[in-house]
Amino acid sequence: EAQVTQNPRYLITVTGKKLTVTCSQNMNHEYMSWYRQDPGLGLRQIYYSMNVEVTDKGDVPEGYKVSRKEKRNFPLILESPSPNQTSLYFCASSPRGGAGDTQYFGPGTRLTVL
Amino acid sequence: AQSVSQHNHHVILSEAASLELGCNYSYGGTVNLFWYVQYPGQHLQLLLKYFSGDPLVKGIKGFEAEFIKSKFSFNLRKPSVQWSDTAEYFCAVNGGSGGYNKLIFGAGTRLAVHP
Repeated sequence: EAQVTQNPRYLITVTGKKLTVTCSQNMNHEYMSWYRQDPGLGLRQIYYSMNVEVTDKGDVPEGYKVSRKEKRNFPLILESPSPNQTSLYFCASSPRGGAGDTQYFGPGTRLTVL
Repeated sequence: AQSVSQHNHHVILSEAASLELGCNYSYGGTVNLFWYVQYPGQHLQLLLKYFSGDPLVKGIKGFEAEFIKSKFSFNLRKPSVQWSDTAEYFCAVNGGSGGYNKLIFGAGTRLAVHP
């Protein structure tokens, strides 16, 4: 089944404890992206990647890191999480990125930082 | 910067009522427009998109949207809603001043349909 998977689905952590949220897609998509969803703000893009070793900032990149060493994986790293990073995170992928491309979303990761 | 406005944050309808959800984007050249839906407990999924051509776009589950360039709008419509349409709906855009590599979302509209 074609899908985007994320792990973990739920995570409660404490301020300053490094964490990684994994994202994997099995559709051979070139483009991958991370979003955070907050009430009243919709989804905001954190980082995106056009292909392996090619990443760029979205609208809210502060406090996050990403890497794209393999085409299928795009982990999101929080080096020192803070309470304002408590949010629902979505990973997405699309065939090429760019005009008109449909993005396929993962199930979401609900992160709470105490 | 490119932005998207959704006018209604919460909409409550009875079954069989007609639906129109507003979406406007900021000026910025040629754009592609999308409506995504998030059913309770499920992934976001694409309802429909406008890329080029006919400005009236038909999507899944009886939804349609009309791209009106002069009004910078892409409103979502459905003539008769069902209880199963209860969900959160997001308008999104790429292109324009934001570039095609970024997808900019509106704040979302929560729709509750009562039987």
